[in-house]
Formats: sequence, structure tokens, C-alpha cells
Amino acid sequence: GQSLEQPSEVTAVEGAIVQINCTYQTSGFYGLSWYQQHDGGAPTFLSYNGLDGLEETGRFSSFLSRSDSYGYLLLQELQMKDSASYFCAVTNSGNTPLVFGKGTRLSVIA
Amino acid sequence: DGGITQSPKYLFRKEGQNVTLSCEQNLNHDAMYWYRQDPGQGLRLIYYSQIVNDFQKGDIAEGYSVSREKKESFPLTVTSAQKNPTAFYLCASSIDLRQTGPYGYTFGSGTRLTVV
Repeated sequence: GQSLEQPSEVTAVEGAIVQINCTYQTSGFYGLSWYQQHDGGAPTFLSYNGLDGLEETGRFSSFLSRSDSYGYLLLQELQMKDSASYFCAVTNSGNTPLVFGKGTRLSVIA
Repeated sequence: DGGITQSPKYLFRKEGQNVTLSCEQNLNHDAMYWYRQDPGQGLRLIYYSQIVNDFQKGDIAEGYSVSREKKESFPLTVTSAQKNPTAFYLCASSIDLRQTGPYGYTFGSGTRLTVV
């Protein structure tokens, strides 16, 4: 089987930095993605890591360590609008759809 | 503008009735998906399709049916056999199933189905 684990909730202060972790267990791992979803809205694609290391896109960065089966999403200079749910998702080597984690609800407070 | 359109946004159904949720995309994507979202459950895959006239069951296909007669359209029918259909339903599409690069899945804005 396969599983993804991420914290259910995280709270952080506006302007701070927050890290959302994701650990996975899967056969034939190929890559890790991150999606953002505001309440009642559509998930939107944030980033993809196929190789170990850090990918940076503006205030958001995503990291992958294949040897540790671990990745994280780093959000810097937090803004109130970053309050949302964040999902990690695994791409497997077989021809199958993404497998999503249960999501982390981030609350940004003043 | 390219994107995915789901309709209706809110849907109410009486117990025992079938209901069909619409999903249309103009992104020229081959792959399309239906996910169900319940509070605290994340995204659970119902059905997916890689190509016209072909589709596969996902993790929670019981009580649902789909068709893929056109590349742009992937409607989902929630049948009376689905025991707990009240949920938020999301349709998505992508260039291919695996998303091995910087092009992720594109999601519609969802349909919230309530059984009354």
C-alpha cells in the first residue's frame, strides 16, 4: 500500500515562516507535489519536486529527500491570505494518478 | 481563458434519486478525474480517465458511474446506491496521469451535493 502523512493543523503568525512536512510510504516513488486549497475553493498546484533538494517559487519553497521519504513546503513572510489547506501528493512510477495526503490546515494569525 | 467548469455549484438531491454532475474542460487535456472531499478526509479518487471512451475505478467508485464520450467532458453520476453522497465533488484534468513535471492537475471549483 501507500500512505502520506502530514500534520492536520498548523498555526503561524503573520510575517513568520512556517514549514509543513510530508512523509510518504509508496512503491515506485517518482515525485512529490504540493497543492493549496482555500475554503470552498479549488485546489491549485504550487510546486513539484522530482529530484532531491529545494525548489523556490517566490515566497514558497518545496524540499524533497528521497532517501528519507520526506518533503516539506516552506512558506515565508506569511500573509493572512495564506490561510488555507495544503496537500502533498505523490507521483508513482506506474501509470496511475496522483495520491493525495489528507491535507494540513494552515491558520495565519495577526 | 482555458479551464475546467463544474456545474452546478450547489445541488440538492432527494434520497433514492440519481444525479449527474457536469465537468467540462477546454485545456485539451487527455486525463480527467473525479475526487470526493469530506472534512478531514483529503481528496479521495472516485474515477479517472486517460483517454476518450476509457475510464478506471478509483479508491471509492462504489455507487458512482462516469462516461467519457468526448475529450472535453467527464460527467459523474451519483446513483442511489451511494450510501452517503453528501460531499464536495471536485473534477480535475491534466496533460497526463502522472504529472512528472511543473504542470499539475487543474481543478474545477467543485459541486457541493447535499442529500435531503
